[in-house]
Amino acid sequence: AQKVTQAQTEISVVEKEDVTLDCVYETRDTTYYLFWYKQPPSGELVFLIRRNSFDEQNEISGRYSWNFQKSTSSFNFTITASQVVDSAVYFCALSEVNYGGSQGNLIFGKGTKLSVKP
Amino acid sequence: EADIYQTPRYLVIGTGKKITLECSQTMGHDKMYWYQQDPGMELHLIHYSYGVNSTEKGDLSSESTVSRIRTEHFPLTLESARPSHTSQYLCASSESTARNNEQFFGPGTRLTVL
Repeated sequence: AQKVTQAQTEISVVEKEDVTLDCVYETRDTTYYLFWYKQPPSGELVFLIRRNSFDEQNEISGRYSWNFQKSTSSFNFTITASQVVDSAVYFCALSEVNYGGSQGNLIFGKGTKLSVKP
Repeated sequence: EADIYQTPRYLVIGTGKKITLECSQTMGHDKMYWYQQDPGMELHLIHYSYGVNSTEKGDLSSESTVSRIRTEHFPLTLESARPSHTSQYLCASSESTARNNEQFFGPGTRLTVL
């Protein structure tokens, strides 16, 4: 079975603190894709990153970084020097492995609500 | 930037009314999705389509129905709205069924049924 677990329901930090959002996934497929999305208070989901299962290099984009570790089935997301504008719900997702029409569907975690206070 | 639109953004309606939530995308994407998101944040896939004249039910059973007559348009209809339908509905699209394709989301429709 495929599953995505985001154990942290809510995190609250003070501006400029670093924060890590955890994501653990389960899949039996050898080729898969992982995603992170941000949902600000306005409601839409914004795509942040995609990572395939063969690329374990960590990625950094400005204040954002992602740590993918196949050995622990984790794809954690770190925000360095957090800002108030980072306050949002963050979702981790795994691509579904079924072939046919459901391929490309995403399995989402339950999300982590991040609050950054000034 | 993604071009996917949803109307209305907010809808308050009485029980028993028929409603249609509109979703359109201008990217020529084959695949489209509807998600229901409760205040507790979790996203539930309720419908998807991988092309014109194809519609499939998602993981969460829903009383709503969808249609896909044109590539760019994927409306969701509730024949008789009930308070249990109160939720946010998010529409999304992706280029194809390839697993590496990210989904692009619309702004959502917040539905309240009184």
